[in-house]
Amino acid sequence: KQEVTQIPAALSVPEGENLVLNCSFTDSAIYNLQWFRQDPGKGLTSLLLIQSSQREQTSGRLNASLDKSSGRSTLYIAASQPGDSATYLCAVEHGGKLIFGQGTELSVKP
Amino acid sequence: GAVVSQHPSWVICKSGTSVKIECRSLDFQATTMFWYRQFPKQSLMLMATSNEGSKATYEQGVEKDKFLINHASLTLSTLTVTSAHPEDSSFYICSASKGVGGNTIYFGEGSWLTVV
Repeated sequence: KQEVTQIPAALSVPEGENLVLNCSFTDSAIYNLQWFRQDPGKGLTSLLLIQSSQREQTSGRLNASLDKSSGRSTLYIAASQPGDSATYLCAVEHGGKLIFGQGTELSVKP
Repeated sequence: GAVVSQHPSWVICKSGTSVKIECRSLDFQATTMFWYRQFPKQSLMLMATSNEGSKATYEQGVEKDKFLINHASLTLSTLTVTSAHPEDSSFYICSASKGVGGNTIYFGEGSWLTVV
């Protein structure tokens, strides 16, 4: 059974810091891995999608890496801003379904 | 980009009544739609997978007679919570895909259900 774990559960940093969010999964047979952002009480915004054959994707200040063999992904956020405050979820597509981690709640303080 | 719309965004209903939530793919044909439930401060839990024209596949522990899913067309799936109870109060989110296996999955904005 595929399980996705995210560490840390919560993170509070001062504005301007670079930070790393971690995601691990137990079964390496995935089609892809996605990172999402969720604001309180809202739906999901897709940030980055990494296909299983890829090792990383970048979008602006965000960089996501994927090491499928070890079952790990990281989301790197450069020069964090208060507007980055949200919950970040990673999800793997496995067996035709998206399996989500518990999320990391990020707070960036001005 | 592709858009998935959910309606209503929030709904309050009385215990024992039924409530329907709609999920529409606005600019693509979704052969597969997914329904998730999210309790406060928790992650998304997949409830069921629905394929157009066939019965939904429910995840273990999800009551199919309580959470009725219909995917009658390639652009519309509905979730009906029957005989709702306060413990069914949650955030329900749908997603849609052109097909499983590597296709991008698009999410709706979610529907807040409060059962009083």
